[in-house]
Amino acid sequence: DIQMTQSPSSVSASVGDRVTITCRASQAISNWLAWYQQKPGKAPKLLIYAASSLQSGVPSRFSGSGSGTDFTLTIGSLQAEDFATYYCQQANRFPHTFGQGTKLEIK
Amino acid sequence: QVQLQESGPGLVKPSQTLSLTCSVSGGSISSGSYYWSWIRQPAGKGLEWIGRIYTSGRPKYIPSLESRVTMSLDTSKNEFSLKLSSVTAADTAVYYCAKEAVNGWFDPWGQGTPVTVSS
Repeated sequence: DIQMTQSPSSVSASVGDRVTITCRASQAISNWLAWYQQKPGKAPKLLIYAASSLQSGVPSRFSGSGSGTDFTLTIGSLQAEDFATYYCQQANRFPHTFGQGTKLEIK
Repeated sequence: QVQLQESGPGLVKPSQTLSLTCSVSGGSISSGSYYWSWIRQPAGKGLEWIGRIYTSGRPKYIPSLESRVTMSLDTSKNEFSLKLSSVTAADTAVYYCAKEAVNGWFDPWGQGTPVTVSS
């Protein structure tokens, strides 16, 4: 299985900050990567697919980049509603696998 | 807009079979190039894809669960199902159903249903 490793596991930030989360795949996955946001008690929500494509309805302050094994999710200017846990997911090979999550907390 | 809703028992005894159904509204599970997936999340932990099914081919399951998992579609009811046999406490989790795009992204998701395995 392809292992997905996110860093950091948690990060504290303030409203208005710029935050970057990293995801590394154990082998090259081209751009077969998605990012999800999950709030407590809720289902994950797709933010970014194909590494850098913004899902319809997702604010433009979210952006993704990367290819191969290294990927980033950037939130340009944090809003209160962005404090959540973020997961990356690879879809290059079966089984689909997720990173362990990055919890974004209010400083 | 497609919406998904999981249903099923919230408590299952060890060694028994967990059975869940995902009802799909706002679109037909028979149309389009989509898959229908199950994903689970133990409390406080990460996400694990269980498998997927679609109308035009064989289901695909995660190898670690393949011997215990069965997925099926009921196009007349516009729903799909998950059965997981011989459950143990390790199968306790919130179970989500999701629509999977041909490229492997999950959107949308159901709200999730918690399942506890306990006697």
